[in-house]
Amino acid sequence: NAGVTQTPKFQVLKTGQSMTLQCAQDMNHNSMYWYRQDPGMGLRLIYYSASEGTTDKGEVPNGYNVSRLNKREFSLRLESAAPSQTSVYFCASTRSSYEQYFGPGTRLTVT
Amino acid sequence: AQRVTQPEKLLSVFKGAPVELKCNYSYSGSPELFWYVQYSRQRLQLLLRHISRESIKGFTADLNKGETSFHLKKPFAQEEDSAMYYCALSVWSTDKLIFGTGTRLQVFP
Repeated sequence: NAGVTQTPKFQVLKTGQSMTLQCAQDMNHNSMYWYRQDPGMGLRLIYYSASEGTTDKGEVPNGYNVSRLNKREFSLRLESAAPSQTSVYFCASTRSSYEQYFGPGTRLTVT
Repeated sequence: AQRVTQPEKLLSVFKGAPVELKCNYSYSGSPELFWYVQYSRQRLQLLLRHISRESIKGFTADLNKGETSFHLKKPFAQEEDSAMYYCALSVWSTDKLIFGTGTRLQVFP
């Protein structure tokens, strides 16, 4: 039981490049989330998915797109990376509203 | 507006000293509040939730609706308590959490 896994762990992009962050969970959770973590800003919700086939914007969705491929997988795509998207990205999942399980994070640098 | 405020970015104490990490919230309904912790090189994980009224690793947190606070307390800090602590509020009828900006706790020997 791996819990929540994320790939890659580290990534460096140039401005304008695109990439997809992958997330998978093996706990049969319905809800999945993408957050970004920035110093002094805490964790901010980018997008979330309450169930397979549904996605909704969070607090900071601009510049991102998501896909809930199936119940296990929830990917985050940056179409044209900007330096402001330099951050640590966390994926999380939950069965209920009471505990979210987090992945190890992806550290992204955009130059 | 729904909001979680953690006024301290950094809290430094010596081992054995009491610790209180502050959390205030703004929410129109009946709040569900949590503390999450991130130890160095580890994942963010749930520390405790107010509805369970547990003591985890010596930490407790009491919901004070009058003061709209959910402060995290421990009577005697340990070096292994050094971590980043986030207070979070559950949004009613969704599975979403609103996180505060976090407080880094440093416990010196």
